[in-house]
Amino acid sequence: EVQLVESGGGLVKPGGSLRLSCAASGFDFSFYLMTWVRQAPGKGLEWVSTISTSSRYIFYTDSVKGRFTISRDNAKNSLFLQMNSLRAEDTAVYYCARVGTGSSDFDFWGQGTLVTVSS
Amino acid sequence: QSILTQPPSVSATPGQKVTISCSGSSSNIGNNYVSWFQHPPGTAPKLLIYDNDKRPSGIPDRFSGSKSGTSATLGITGLQTGDEADYYCGTWDSSLNAVVFGAGTKLTVL
Repeated sequence: EVQLVESGGGLVKPGGSLRLSCAASGFDFSFYLMTWVRQAPGKGLEWVSTISTSSRYIFYTDSVKGRFTISRDNAKNSLFLQMNSLRAEDTAVYYCARVGTGSSDFDFWGQGTLVTVSS
Repeated sequence: QSILTQPPSVSATPGQKVTISCSGSSSNIGNNYVSWFQHPPGTAPKLLIYDNDKRPSGIPDRFSGSKSGTSATLGITGLQTGDEADYYCGTWDSSLNAVVFGAGTKLTVL
């Protein structure tokens, strides 16, 4: 059974940092692209970042470029999102998801972890 | 404002059929595959449709997808109260080098 479990969310002050983790199991993690998607309170889904299997190709949404860094450890079946210079508008539930055969078919999702940026 | 345009809400009664549209441009829907997601409140999103019209294993054939030009459509037949959720279309945008989602459509089953 495919499982994705996020952790690392919490309350942080503006300008602060957080590192999210996503533990994967039930599939060969190294064979799949992985992605982070977020949902701000009362808003829709927003794609954040995608990383290729070997970490060679990485994409970010414009609003997080230069502040967030996606990475993965295939030996530990783990996905990460380092978030620096956090802003109030980064407040959201952050989901990690597995990417299927295409670029937007996110076929399995975690339950999400809440990040709150507030003073 | 989202790159992909969806109606904010749709409603229908149990047993009926509903369609949800998703309109984009040549840089996204027009030249890339479309996915659809179901997101009930408080739960993780679920992939309903990928590659415009394919259903993942376990998704009932009440759910269907289609694409024509720069628009895509999700169809749901035999509506059930359990189908109440927010529905999102998503695709790759070749100009932005980014995945884009619609703003979401809230389905109410009256």
